[in-house]
Amino acid sequence: ETGVTQTPRHLVMGMTNKKSLKCEQHLGHNAMYWYKQSAKKPLELMFVYNFKEQTENNSVPSRFSPECPNSSHLFLHLHTLQPEDSALYLCASSQGGGQDEKLFFGSGTQLSVL
Amino acid sequence: GENVEQHPSTLSVQEGDSAVIKCTYSDSASNYFPWYKQELGKRPQLIIDIRSNVGEKKDQRIAVTLNKTAKHFSLHITETQPEDSAVYFCAASKAPGNTGKLIFGQGTTLQVKP
Repeated sequence: ETGVTQTPRHLVMGMTNKKSLKCEQHLGHNAMYWYKQSAKKPLELMFVYNFKEQTENNSVPSRFSPECPNSSHLFLHLHTLQPEDSALYLCASSQGGGQDEKLFFGSGTQLSVL
Repeated sequence: GENVEQHPSTLSVQEGDSAVIKCTYSDSASNYFPWYKQELGKRPQLIIDIRSNVGEKKDQRIAVTLNKTAKHFSLHITETQPEDSAVYFCAASKAPGNTGKLIFGQGTTLQVKP
């Protein structure tokens, strides 16, 4: 195991629901990320947190709201999503601080928006 | 910004044959090029990476080559085995100091036929 745990593994939600994705890393890393993986598309970087500070917001719609309370935990709050937001959402971590770019991914949350 | 193109999108080889996947990048300042392997239903995992100060790196049956002038890099898998079947992603970034901002290619689905 890579030490990055994501819950839930699967999520089905309606467009009016509010839900949250959770990520936890046990690797002592200082940077955490959210990526979106859609069929037949590259992995898309959504957000980057370095030492709990958001350093990247890759033009993500406001219906996705990240939260990083500490270097080990990362959340993605979802509200009023669209069917096209259905995808695999991957969390990743790395050493951070610009020292090591090697990403360790979680298993992802498969999200279906009805 | 950086753009990474990956080819082919699918590749089928006979067990024991070699497989080659190619990526091109657009930003000449990119200097870090990792490759990730994602087996069906599993998380992406780093399998090999190369920095711009070297032209080739090998790790057992896998190797990566980099041509900075032409701005392309390739993954070579020799003596392929069925367990090599997976989706392979290349990526590029400017490191250090650009933590996690990996730009991924579209992925190559490799099928190794026994």
